[in-house]
Amino acid sequence: AQSVTQLDSQVPVFEEAPVELRCNYSSSVSVYLFWYVQYPNQGLQLLLKYLSGSTLVESINGFEAEFNKSQTSFHLRKPSVHISDTAEYFCAVSESGADGLTFGKGTHLIIQP
Amino acid sequence: DTAVSQTPKYLVTQMGNDKSIKCEQNLGHDTMYWYKQDSKKFLKIMFSYNNKELIINETVPNRFSPKSPDKAHLNLHINSLELGDSAVYFCASSQGLDLWNEQFFGPGTRLTVL
Repeated sequence: AQSVTQLDSQVPVFEEAPVELRCNYSSSVSVYLFWYVQYPNQGLQLLLKYLSGSTLVESINGFEAEFNKSQTSFHLRKPSVHISDTAEYFCAVSESGADGLTFGKGTHLIIQP
Repeated sequence: DTAVSQTPKYLVTQMGNDKSIKCEQNLGHDTMYWYKQDSKKFLKIMFSYNNKELIINETVPNRFSPKSPDKAHLNLHINSLELGDSAVYFCASSQGLDLWNEQFFGPGTRLTVL
């Protein structure tokens, strides 16, 4: 069975500082990987995804994530965060479309001015 | 325009009651899902419907029953509510089951069972 671990429940960073949100997964087969973001009082939105091809994927708002098969990781990074990045970030995996998504517990990114 | 909407946003009820949560999507998608987020923030899939047929039914008690009157709606009925049912329930939709189809989530319904 697949599972996702997000070790950090909260990550406080200062505005304009870099950030990395960690995600590790376990699965017996090839997986597809996703990062979702949940802004306060809103639903989840897809931030970026890895299905195949280049292991480095980017979002339109400056986030990037790198798929590392040997370390079974899909860490999310941003070189310089903004106050508007304050949100809950969920890493998710799926082995196939029919299984739906398996989510991690989420990481609350707190941007300090 | 809201893509995926859920009603109500908050639901407080007594143990033993029967309640429903409604979900509607105006994206023209043919696949809809229900997820449960418990107090520890774990999000788990409960059901998915593709073209009005149940595709996934995880280990969910049969007190929970999804009902899809049409492709744009997937409602969640819960009978004989228990304390452990307290959670946030998210509806989502996508254009088919293929993974390159993004899942769009609703804002969630916070259910509190007293």
